[in-house]
Amino acid sequence: DTGVSQDPRHKITKRGQNVTFRCDPISEHNRLYWYRQTLGQGPEFLTYFQNEAQLEKSRLLSDRFSAERPKGSFSTLEIQRTEQGDSAMYLCASSLGRRGVETDTQYFGPGTRLTVL
Amino acid sequence: AQSVTQPDIHITVSEGASLELRCNYSYGATPYLFWYVQSPGQGLQLLLKYFSGDTLVQGIKGFEAEFKRSQSSFNLRKPSVHWSDAAEYFCAVGRITNAGKSTFGDGTTLTVKP
Repeated sequence: DTGVSQDPRHKITKRGQNVTFRCDPISEHNRLYWYRQTLGQGPEFLTYFQNEAQLEKSRLLSDRFSAERPKGSFSTLEIQRTEQGDSAMYLCASSLGRRGVETDTQYFGPGTRLTVL
Repeated sequence: AQSVTQPDIHITVSEGASLELRCNYSYGATPYLFWYVQSPGQGLQLLLKYFSGDTLVQGIKGFEAEFKRSQSSFNLRKPSVHWSDAAEYFCAVGRITNAGKSTFGDGTTLTVKP
């Protein structure tokens, strides 16, 4: 399967702990996105990367959240000092993102479901 | 700012009946429009997309959607629903330049009665 993969699929943690999620995009995709989805809502944009550069961050991304894409391939999303309000599904998506290509469809991974106790 | 409204939180249809899911968007320029489907515990699967050209777009699984600029709508349709179509459906709008950061509606949950 050459789709977007995310690890772990489920994470249960206690409030105050740090957690890190990984996303592996489709191999030739330059752009990588992180979204958060809470129950009954659509996904909300958190941040995106063009290759290794983080180009945009939502105001939803507090200073406890940090994302990296060190070699322009996989990405990690870390949440420090987790709070119960961080409980959500964290979705990763990737897109081709080539200059001059008008269409830029995002392909989503299965998500990581975080539960903060 | 871009926004998406899906007026119907929950829709129930009988198997074999036709389906229309509504989506209204607000966007200051030419939008990219998408419909995704999400089954329980799964990620989002792209059903179809509109960038330009023909305003009636065909997607996978027998779905189609029509872009109506005058009504700021992009409704999803299927002539005959199958039980396996039961899922949550999300409409999204994205920017046509630079990164296609998408804004999603809150979704419509489809229940299919036998």
